[in-house]
Amino acid sequence: DTGVSQNPRHKITKRGQNVTFRCDPISEHNRLYWYRQTLGQGPEFLTYFQNEAQLEKSRLLSDRFSAERPKGSFSTLEIQRTEQGDSAMYLCASSHPGHYYEQYFGPGTRLTVT
Amino acid sequence: AQRVTQPEKLLSVFKGAPVELKCNYSYSGSPELFWYVQYSRQRLQLLLRHISRESIKGFTADLNKGETSFHLKKPFAQEEDSAMYYCALRGGSNFGNEKLTFGTGTRLTIIP
Repeated sequence: DTGVSQNPRHKITKRGQNVTFRCDPISEHNRLYWYRQTLGQGPEFLTYFQNEAQLEKSRLLSDRFSAERPKGSFSTLEIQRTEQGDSAMYLCASSHPGHYYEQYFGPGTRLTVT
Repeated sequence: AQRVTQPEKLLSVFKGAPVELKCNYSYSGSPELFWYVQYSRQRLQLLLRHISRESIKGFTADLNKGETSFHLKKPFAQEEDSAMYYCALRGGSNFGNEKLTFGTGTRLTIIP
């Protein structure tokens, strides 16, 4: 297990297209988090799952954004009708039961909307 | 609402000199505070948390509730400390309060 993995690492898309990102957490980590990071800012929370249940969503997660974790393992984040303002680094993190305070981050997916 | 402020975007320090990265927070309850670090071409990773009161890589941070601060300190900077440092807050251990709120980060550069 080499840690949290995210695919793709980079995505360039045209405005109006849909994109989907995947996150594979560390095995046995039952919590999974999505963050967005824009230039010059720290990561901003989007949503998190405990197993397959989505337990919290940020106001940042507009109707165009949807996240799933159908079997409690990997997760997908979909953005519909992308806008230039969606250009950012999308980070995934996971944490272990009993050690929720430590989130292990993936390398991120950099999205560029042209 | 919870907020984390890191007033310095950039900080340059000579090798061997003391380092202090500032972090102030706003939260109405009892927060958990963390420092995360991102070295060049590496992932964001936890450096330390206030509850453990550990010294990691020579760094320490004390939670000052009166001043709502959680400054990161190291007495003697080393070149390998050059990195991006983020202060983060988690709103206690209450269920449904799991998100981390990050500051904007401070890029620390150690001058040889």
